[in-house]
Amino acid sequence: NAGVTQTPKFQVLKTGQSMTLQCAQDMNHEYMSWYRQDPGMGLRLIHYSVGAGITDQGEVPNGYNVSRSTTEDFPLRLLSAAPSQTSVYFCASSYRTGGGNTIYFGEGSWLTVV
Amino acid sequence: EDQVTQSPEALRLQEGESSSLNCSYTVSGLRGLFWYRQDPGKGPEFLFTLYSAGEEKEKERLKATLTKKESFLHITAPKPEDSATYLCAVTNTGNQFYFGTGTSLTVIP
Repeated sequence: NAGVTQTPKFQVLKTGQSMTLQCAQDMNHEYMSWYRQDPGMGLRLIHYSVGAGITDQGEVPNGYNVSRSTTEDFPLRLLSAAPSQTSVYFCASSYRTGGGNTIYFGEGSWLTVV
Repeated sequence: EDQVTQSPEALRLQEGESSSLNCSYTVSGLRGLFWYRQDPGKGPEFLFTLYSAGEEKEKERLKATLTKKESFLHITAPKPEDSATYLCAVTNTGNQFYFGTGTSLTVIP
């Protein structure tokens, strides 16, 4: 059972380039989300999805797009990368929505924008 | 505003020296409080979920407790392999997760 799988692990982008961080889960979880983690800031929610075809914004959504065409996949797109998007990105999922459900994280994607 | 504050930011312990990490929270309608462990270069790893004041959970040298305002992660006789960053998070009735900035624990042999 792979859990939550993120690719790539590391990526360097030039300012203005676009790219997609991939996230897949094999646990049949309804809820999927993307966080970024920056020193001293903790984990901040970018976008989330409560099921296929449904997405919503989190705390820091600007500059990012998401879609959820299947239950398993939840890609995060950077439209025009900026140095401020240099961060570690984590995809997470949980069985269903509703408070109290544990979320499980992927191993992270380290992104540097130069 | 819902928020989580963890203290201390960093903690250095000698092997075998027990201590506690604190997680203070304010949340409108607590649905769950979570503890995670994060090793360098890795994603957060789930440890515990607590749902109501008075609840306690244990795993090896770790014990998590919950009151109406805070949670403690007690570490008994820690070993070097317990060195990691420990994250606390809460969820409210809207299923939003709020994370603290973590406590970096170093256990010295």
